[in-house]
Amino acid sequence: GENVEQHPSTLSVQEGDSAVIKCTYSDSASNYFPWYKQELGKRPQLIIDIRSNVGEKKDQRIAVTLNKTAKHFSLHITETQPEDSAVYFCAASNTGTASKLTFGTGTRLQVTL
Amino acid sequence: GAVVSQHPSWVICKSGTSVKIECRSLDFQATTMFWYRQFPKQSLMLMATSNEGSKATYEQGVEKDKFLINHASLTLSTLTVTSAHPEDSSFYICSAHPGTSTHNEQFFGPGTRLTVL
Repeated sequence: GENVEQHPSTLSVQEGDSAVIKCTYSDSASNYFPWYKQELGKRPQLIIDIRSNVGEKKDQRIAVTLNKTAKHFSLHITETQPEDSAVYFCAASNTGTASKLTFGTGTRLQVTL
Repeated sequence: GAVVSQHPSWVICKSGTSVKIECRSLDFQATTMFWYRQFPKQSLMLMATSNEGSKATYEQGVEKDKFLINHASLTLSTLTVTSAHPEDSSFYICSAHPGTSTHNEQFFGPGTRLTVL
C-alpha cells in the first residue's frame, strides 16, 4: 500500500518568513495530493491540492509543487502569519481506489512574532 | 455546500459499553464514506472505507467485529465501537466522497472525541 513520509515534524518560523514542508510517497499510481491544515480539536481543512498532471499550483500565499519522477511534493507558505500556526498534513491517493487517502505524519508549524 | 456532520461531537462512556457515531452528508450524496482515527499528536489513520449498500472494507489491523460500520443510505454512515475500552479513546473523524470521477476531494466531519473510562 501507499506510504507517505513528511518532514519536518516541527517547524518554527518568524512572521513574514516562508515555510516549506516536504512529503514523499511510494505508490507511483497515486495521482491526487491534497494538503490539510488542522487546528487543535478541529477537522482537517483542505488548503490546496494538486493532481498528477500538474507540476505546480498556487493560491495566494500557498503553493504546492509536485515531482512525479522523484515521488515528492512540497507545500510552500510565503509571508507567514501567526494564524498560519497549526498542524499541516500532506496526503496521497489513487482516485482509482475510491480516493482512499494516506496521510503523512504531520508538521506542527509555529509562526512567531 | 459539501457539509458533513457528525454526532455526537464528544462522548464519555464506561469501559465495556458500546458507542455509536453518526456521519451525515447534508447537501450531497456520498457514495463512499471513510472513517479515520486520530490519537493525540498523531496523524489520521484510515480505519475503513464504507460504501453505500455494501460491506465496509477495513484496513489491516482494524477489528471489523469491534468497529461496526453501516452505510445504509447515501447520506448516512455509522460507526459503532463495541465493548469500548480505554485504549479506544481517540478522535474519530469521518469523511464523505461524492463518488464522481472528476471530484477528488473528501469532505470531513467535525470529529467525535471518545473518552472511555
